[in-house]
Amino acid sequence: GEDVEQSLFLSVREGDSSVINCTYTDSSSTYLYWYKQEPGAGLQLLTYIFSNMDMKQDQRLTVLLNKKDKHLSLRIADTQTGDSAIYFCADPNAGNNRKLIWGLGTSLAVNP
Amino acid sequence: SQTIHQWPATLVQPVGSPLSLECTVEGTSNPNLYWYRQAAGRGLQLLFYSVGIGQISSEVPQNLSASRPQDRQFILSSKKLLLSDSGFYLCAWNPGQTQGRTIYFGEGSWLTVV
Repeated sequence: GEDVEQSLFLSVREGDSSVINCTYTDSSSTYLYWYKQEPGAGLQLLTYIFSNMDMKQDQRLTVLLNKKDKHLSLRIADTQTGDSAIYFCADPNAGNNRKLIWGLGTSLAVNP
Repeated sequence: SQTIHQWPATLVQPVGSPLSLECTVEGTSNPNLYWYRQAAGRGLQLLFYSVGIGQISSEVPQNLSASRPQDRQFILSSKKLLLSDSGFYLCAWNPGQTQGRTIYFGEGSWLTVV
């Protein structure tokens, strides 16, 4: 079946850039999502990218999509302690609206 | 605007006791509704989804059940809780009959079975 994979942990220093990577197998996705989960809270949509785009920038966030390699990345510039959270990559799984396919999440730790 | 409410936020229940988690969505009609579980702070497991009143699909066999008595109400239940039911439960919704739309989450319910 379709799958999404992420590295589980990332540690950066405050002020550095963070890059969180994701690979997916579904070649028919029209969107790919990044969700953020702060400690003890629900998930919030952080950003998304259409499959016909290579890059999307939104303030400190840059999403890069390589459709050929089925690789998605989220770059956070000038990482702050408030960015510490778990980041989930999600594939809407175009074949079935109901079943978003989730990565296991990357836990980002920002050290002062 | 649409909002999603989920309650209770935290609960501690003894093994063998019943469970009822409730979720309501406001500001939309005929949404798809979901219950997810997140064990040990990682990974999202889809438990149930519903595309309409009384229509429930179960993703994994387990000790839990779900019901949708009204269009915007989704309830997660158990008759007898197990220790393994402990976790973080998330209700979510997205617009019905639309492919690939963003899914929106409630704030979650922490369940500890003791």
